[in-house]
Amino acid sequence: AQTVTQSQPEMSVQEAETVTLSCTYDTSENNYYLFWYKQPPSRQMILVIRQEAYKQQNATENRFSVNFQKAAKSFSLKISDSQLGDTAMYFCAFRIANAGGTSYGKLTFGQGTILTVHP
Amino acid sequence: DVKVTQSSRYLVKRTGEKVFLECVQDMDHENMFWYRQDPGLGLRLIYFSYDVKMKEKGDIPEGYSVSREKKERFSLILESASTNQTSMYLCASSLPWQTISGNTIYFGEGSWLTVV
Repeated sequence: AQTVTQSQPEMSVQEAETVTLSCTYDTSENNYYLFWYKQPPSRQMILVIRQEAYKQQNATENRFSVNFQKAAKSFSLKISDSQLGDTAMYFCAFRIANAGGTSYGKLTFGQGTILTVHP
Repeated sequence: DVKVTQSSRYLVKRTGEKVFLECVQDMDHENMFWYRQDPGLGLRLIYFSYDVKMKEKGDIPEGYSVSREKKERFSLILESASTNQTSMYLCASSLPWQTISGNTIYFGEGSWLTVV
């Protein structure tokens, strides 16, 4: 079974500064996808960034980037130039790449980290 | 834009009642999901459907059932609501996992259910 752990229940950062959210996971699979989702106070969950495990290069989306350490099973999210609109709960998630079996279609989420950006 | 609509944002039900949570997506997605979100536990998968009339149990299916009679609609049913089912319920949809786009999952706004 796969598990995803976010050890930081809450984080805060000043506007324009950089913050890193931590995520570790446990799996025996070799091919998988990792995701960071953002859930603002309005509750609409949106995808922030995605990483394929077979890619060594870390994914980047504008101010959001990840530090993917496959051997350490670590997948942290870095937010640069933090903005007030980044205030949200952030979820790390995992999915096996190959469909089939009892894990088919299962996206496993961490517990979430509440990020507050202060002006 | 993909739209996933959950018919009820806030519901209050009594213990023992049968509860229906409805979800509709407008992008012809094959996959649909029901998650439950609780503080400190993150999102946990209740049920998943990859086609009409097809369903798979997630991590916490006990006390729930689902129905997918049409591709765009996925219903979560609480046969006999209990207080420990008080939670936020999130519906989601995606294309098949085998497609590149299938790795993006789209969520509804959530339904807050309180069972008293």
